[in-house]
Amino acid sequence: GDSVTQMEGPVTLSEEAFLTINCTYTATGYPSLFWYVQYPGEGLQLLLKATKADDKGSNKGFEATYRKETTSFHLEKGSVQVSDSAVYFCALSVNTGNQFYFGTGTSLTVIP
Amino acid sequence: EAQVTQNPRYLITVTGKKLTVTCSQNMNHEYMSWYRQDPGLGLRQIYYSMNVEVTDKGDVPEGYKVSRKEKRNFPLILESPSPNQTSLYFCASSGSGYGYTFGSGTRLTVV
Repeated sequence: GDSVTQMEGPVTLSEEAFLTINCTYTATGYPSLFWYVQYPGEGLQLLLKATKADDKGSNKGFEATYRKETTSFHLEKGSVQVSDSAVYFCALSVNTGNQFYFGTGTSLTVIP
Repeated sequence: EAQVTQNPRYLITVTGKKLTVTCSQNMNHEYMSWYRQDPGLGLRQIYYSMNVEVTDKGDVPEGYKVSRKEKRNFPLILESPSPNQTSLYFCASSGSGYGYTFGSGTRLTVV
């Protein structure tokens, strides 16, 4: 079945460090891929998305490239800030584009 | 402002006392869904609805009910809550595959 596997956390980085959170997927058909972010005490917010192979989604300095050959959608940021501390979820949707499958989330803490 | 509104934000209740968590969206989305979030387990889908009067079970539907009588509303009903339903609940809606819009969450404690 369709599923998403993402890097276990928690991840702790110093401010201005480089961030990578790995995400791989299994899907029938042609999925769209998403990263969501959950700040403390809040709901999930869409961070970025990519709808077809080789697309790059980007937002707020974060980037992820849809790699069909490796079935991956790794999240990267060149220089993290304290305000990036949150839980990050990788997700995919297939077919209708409405049913989503989420990874288990990766908690990121950025220390000054 | 486009949003999904859940109420209440926090709820403490006793075992067996029926409760309803409301969810409403103002984006005319056809697809709505309920998730629960538990430490180490991520988000698990409880129920979803493709449209009015069309609902189906997600991965963890036991102990929950839903209804979709109107397009904008998708309440989650716990007929007889138990302590293992203590969790953080999210309602979400989606239209045309552009991604979910989530509510702010309902933290439920069943004692």
